[in-house]
Amino acid sequence: QQQVKQSPQSLIVQKGGISIINCAYENTAFDYFPWYQQFPGKGPALLIAIRPDVSEKKEGRFTISFNKSAKQFSLHIMDSQPGDSATYFCAARMNSGYSTLTFGKGTMLLVSP
Amino acid sequence: EAGVAQSPRYKIIEKRQSVAFWCNPISGHATLYWYQQILGQGPKLLIQFQNNGVVDDSQLPKDRFSAERLKGVDSTLKIQPAKLEDSAVYLCASSLGVGSTYEQYFGPGTRLTVT
Repeated sequence: QQQVKQSPQSLIVQKGGISIINCAYENTAFDYFPWYQQFPGKGPALLIAIRPDVSEKKEGRFTISFNKSAKQFSLHIMDSQPGDSATYFCAARMNSGYSTLTFGKGTMLLVSP
Repeated sequence: EAGVAQSPRYKIIEKRQSVAFWCNPISGHATLYWYQQILGQGPKLLIQFQNNGVVDDSQLPKDRFSAERLKGVDSTLKIQPAKLEDSAVYLCASSLGVGSTYEQYFGPGTRLTVT
């Protein structure tokens, strides 16, 4: 059972445009929603994360929007740059015991110059 | 601060052979994770250690996969015998503790190809 569904699978955005990646979850016990960025040959790195008590979190050009009632969250990359070209994963985690991260399938973003 | 180290970076083996991967976590990190990342998918947790004890191995195919973390520091993941479907990147991650308060730091991974 896939608990975190991510879309789109791939995305092409022009330089300076806005990249939007969406995720939906099923388990209402999740209470931590991070986004990871992965470059080829590297491991995923934490980009930004949000908890369900807020609806939006912004860090520089990266913003997470969170809709608790719809069980959806999204990553917005403003002023997308070629250096943002990477694979992005959303994830979710319960803050109980030894809970672990459940990842989406990833979105391959290409920002064209 | 040094990151999570993994070796080898690449490995090609034939099916039914055995293989081992090594991970050195960030110094002081009590929690260590092994993930399997199949091409086109997100990482999937195989096993989680807290110090040198296993706290979650529910998704580890125990008939062929094994892992240990000696002295609560380095860890090895072994596959014996390997199958074609084991071709994937094996990621090691570590964190100071458990729970969402603690960020997981990932190593570069070992890319395994089983032919």
